[in-house]
Parts: sequence; C-alpha cells; structure tokens
Amino acid sequence: QSALTQPASVSGSLGQSITISCTGTSSDVGSYNLVSWYQQHPGKAPKLMIYEGSKRPSGVSNRFSGSKSGNTASLTISGLQAEDEADYYCCSYAGSSTYVVFGGGTKLTVL
Amino acid sequence: QVQLVQSGAEVKKPGSSVKVSCKASGGTFSSYAINWVRQAPGQGLEWMGRIIPILNIADYAQKFQGRVTITADKSTSTAYMELSSLRSEDTAVYYCARDHQGFGDMDYWGQGTLVTVSS
Repeated sequence: QSALTQPASVSGSLGQSITISCTGTSSDVGSYNLVSWYQQHPGKAPKLMIYEGSKRPSGVSNRFSGSKSGNTASLTISGLQAEDEADYYCCSYAGSSTYVVFGGGTKLTVL
Repeated sequence: QVQLVQSGAEVKKPGSSVKVSCKASGGTFSSYAINWVRQAPGQGLEWMGRIIPILNIADYAQKFQGRVTITADKSTSTAYMELSSLRSEDTAVYYCARDHQGFGDMDYWGQGTLVTVSS
C-alpha cells in the first residue's frame, strides 16, 4: 500500500483536460508545498513534470500544472495529446526522517 | 547536460547481494543528493534512500534499513547502491536519480538496472 493515494486510472479525449489527485496526510502533502509529479512511459525512466507543487522544469509544456488543497495535490493536463498517455506518479517530501513518499501511480489513457 | 549511466542487468540467487552503480557526467556530482528508487514489475515507484556526496551522508527508508548501503566515490562521480539478503520480492528495476532542490524532486534519472532474484 502506497503512502499517497492516487486513482488507478483516468482517461480523457484528445484536446480535453484531466486532473489526477494525490491524497496524503498532514505529515506529508498537508505540511509541505513540496509535491512533485513524474511521467513514465512504458520501459522508460520517470520524468519530472512538476516540482514544489506547481513549478515546471525547463522544457516541460505549460499544459501541465500542479496545485494543492489541504492534504490533496493535483496534476492537471490541458489540451490532451496522444503522447501524454503514460503513468503518472506523485511524490511528497515528508520530513527529514522519512524524506519522500510516492503515490501508487495513475495510468492515463488518451481516447 | 547531466547524464546518469547505470550498470547492467543482474541475476542473483536468494540470500546474495547486489551492487548497482550510477556514474554521473555533465554536472557537479558532489553538490546534489543521489536517490535510489526501485520499481517492481507492474508496480509503482519506491524510494530506498539517498546520499549527499559532498557530506558523505546517506539516509535510508525504514523498510530497507540494515539491508541497503548507499555510497559515493567523488573521484569517479559514481554512486553505488548495495542490497543484501536478496529475496524474490527484490526483483525490480533500480533507478538512481539526482535531487533537483533537495526535497525529493528528482530531475535527472539513470536508465534503470533490472535486478532479478531467482533460484
């Protein structure tokens, strides 16, 4: 059982928007604005898409955005494209003793 | 451009140990923490531990305490992860990944190393 809870799957049509939730606790997501999101295509290493809750690394499309409310972080992908189909993982800083915890991952299907 | 290149796939017997390397190039190796994250077949990501080479300090996820050792060789810009007392459940792809800001946001990843534990 993962420390952070994500839906197992979400789907959306080309051009639409989707949101993936990531629910933690007051010990991780709720205490820090330090959630990161990773995209992983089959057989590939994860790629950092969002860090510190809402910041995008250089080169990541502005179609990807992050937010947080209470103990739940969210990743929104707008203008869905075929190449967005992948697994997405959230990850939260959880203090110096635990360091980080991951979500179980969400499979995004683009219809 | 930062690159992390990992050692090749391994097949190990239950009860043995495995040591995976992660060689960095294109950046300042000592200044960033290197994490180790694993992914069992069909499963999610799991953080195992990290090392800060400039301080030579490592910390580990509680689940792996006593079984994992992470080290770094600053002279060769290489990090290592050794996992002992292997069991079948340790079969996974093991990734090294560089910390971006020091709070678990990992901006560069190795290509992954498949470790298979089988008798």
